[in-house]
Amino acid sequence: DTAVSQTPKYLVTQMGNDKSIKCEQNLGHDTMYWYKQDSKKFLKIMFSYNNKELIINETVPNRFSPKSPDKAHLNLHINSLELGDSAVYFCASSQVSDLLSPTAKNIQYFGAGTRLSVL
Amino acid sequence: QKEVEQDPGPLSVPEGAIVSLNCTYSNSAFQYFMWYRQYSRKGPELLMYTYSSGNKEDGRFTAQVDKSSKYISLFIRDSQPSDSATYLCAMSGFQKLVFGTGTRLLVSP
Repeated sequence: DTAVSQTPKYLVTQMGNDKSIKCEQNLGHDTMYWYKQDSKKFLKIMFSYNNKELIINETVPNRFSPKSPDKAHLNLHINSLELGDSAVYFCASSQVSDLLSPTAKNIQYFGAGTRLSVL
Repeated sequence: QKEVEQDPGPLSVPEGAIVSLNCTYSNSAFQYFMWYRQYSRKGPELLMYTYSSGNKEDGRFTAQVDKSSKYISLFIRDSQPSDSATYLCAMSGFQKLVFGTGTRLLVSP
């Protein structure tokens, strides 16, 4: 059983299209995240949800809209795709979101990634 | 200046070598420190995390934190070809992790 699973694994699409990436975790965690990893392997947080509530919203174009129907799912919808959106998008989850507390509950578990190519 | 600096490599070593991977950071508010390993076309997986300055050992891996110098290290003893991966340091700061760019390690048999 995969702990954090995201679909699709690969996504190739044209500029201007709208696409969604889905993420599900079966760990019973309260917090989920979306990260973007660019071609230089730099991994940057985009959004974080705790129990379906948005808690982190980094400087991300508003073409990107996360949606959390329940605490086990966090989907990412992208409108009007641009060439610069090509990257690997990772979903992650952790038991809690308090990163100032040094416990194992903060450990983030990552999915395998969705490789998005915008042509 | 980036909050976390990490040499991207690649770092090539022969099997059995001791590997030293490092990160420096600028934000003294970072509370604790992690090392993730990422194999090609996979998600990052946590290797170790540490809170205070000092060393923490787990098998062939040792994580070291020097908060006064804002410097963290990961040592891998008796490196194996299966250790070939990208190693990302990460630091916690107010509800989010800040990652280094990762160092690509290649261990040749």
